[in-house]
Amino acid sequence: KAGVTQTPRYLIKTRGQQVTLSCSPISGHRSVSWYQQTPGQGLQFLFEYFSETQRNKGNFPGRFSGRQFSNSRSEMNVSTLELGDSALYLCASSWRAWQETQYFGPGTRLLVL
Amino acid sequence: GIQVEQSPPDLILQEGANSTLRCNFSDSVNNLQWFHQNPWGQLINLFYIPSGTKQNGRLSATTVATERYSLLYISSSQTTDSGVYFCAVEKETSGSRLTFGEGTQLTVNP
Repeated sequence: KAGVTQTPRYLIKTRGQQVTLSCSPISGHRSVSWYQQTPGQGLQFLFEYFSETQRNKGNFPGRFSGRQFSNSRSEMNVSTLELGDSALYLCASSWRAWQETQYFGPGTRLLVL
Repeated sequence: GIQVEQSPPDLILQEGANSTLRCNFSDSVNNLQWFHQNPWGQLINLFYIPSGTKQNGRLSATTVATERYSLLYISSSQTTDSGVYFCAVEKETSGSRLTFGEGTQLTVNP
């Protein structure tokens, strides 16, 4: 079974632009979560989608948004990029929405100049 | 929200040595996972262990849920064990999926 895939793997943007990241979960998994990893803040939960519905959202500004499609693929969008948005963005999937092992993708490294 | 503390923050070992990494959490949890982050950033699942003890080769883990801590044991360490080890917990009512600790940076020297 293929693992979680994320595209693109690397991205360079400039301040003020917007970006869309994509995540394809493991086949059959219906829950997709997004996390941001930075040297200063560590790994932080962004949001989770289950069956196309946002289930939880972390403490991030409204510039961060996401969605999930009927095939469970998910996208996250960051508008009006700031330098501090430079981070590794990780996506994880699981079959259920909670109390189950989450499997992580390789991540997307975003650099904002 | 729930707090997760890992210790030690850094650990340097010689190849072949054993080590114990600790994870303390501030509230009861429904789920606890240990991960190893490789040099390319991917989080590799080690254990899903909300309670009890599990073993996988040279690695084992124990979670004592009533005392709110978990331990990860690495025996006969190898240079390939180097990297950052994260503990992450999940609590259904927290409004979050996984809450991560700050990690333990392990360096195994040949």
